[in-house]
Amino acid sequence: AQSVTQLDSQVPVFEEAPVELRCNYSSSVSVYLFWYVQYPNQGLQLLLKYLSGSTLVESINGFEAEFNKSQTSFHLRKPSVHISDTAEYFCAVSEGSGGYNKLIFGAGTRLAVHP
Amino acid sequence: GAVVSQHPSRVICKSGTSVKIECRSLDFQATTMFWYRQFPKQSLMLMATSNEGSKATYEQGVEKDKFLINHASLTLSTLTVTSAHPEDSSFYICSALEGTNTEAFFGQGTRLTVV
Repeated sequence: AQSVTQLDSQVPVFEEAPVELRCNYSSSVSVYLFWYVQYPNQGLQLLLKYLSGSTLVESINGFEAEFNKSQTSFHLRKPSVHISDTAEYFCAVSEGSGGYNKLIFGAGTRLAVHP
Repeated sequence: GAVVSQHPSRVICKSGTSVKIECRSLDFQATTMFWYRQFPKQSLMLMATSNEGSKATYEQGVEKDKFLINHASLTLSTLTVTSAHPEDSSFYICSALEGTNTEAFFGQGTRLTVV
């Protein structure tokens, strides 16, 4: 069965500092991997995704994540965070057996950016 | 990206009454819709998957008679919480998928409070 582990429930960081949000998954088949961001009382917005090809994927607002098959990880990074990046971040996995399959979410990581 | 609208964003109801939540895909045909439940400071838990014109598939432990899902058209799915109780209070989020795309789009969520 698939599962997703987000090792840090909360990550406090100062503005303009780098940040890494960790995500590990377990699956016996190939997977699609996603990072979503959730602002208070809102739905989820897709940040970036890995389907195939290059293992390094980037978002338009400076985040990037690298798929590491040997370590079964998909950590999210940003070299310099802003106050506006404060939000809940969810890592998710679905089996990449063609088309879309249901998402399994991690527990989430609360990123708190301080001035 | 595609837009999914969820209504209402907040609802307060009395214990024993029923509440209907709507999920609409505004600019695409949603062949599949997903309903999630999120408890405070926790991750999203998939409740059910619905395909247009057919019965929803519920996840283990979700009461199908309590959480009625109707996906009658390619742009609308509804979740009705019947005979609501305070323990049903939660944040409910839908997502919608078009065809065999690899990305589902999320609604803004509905905060249900049962008093």
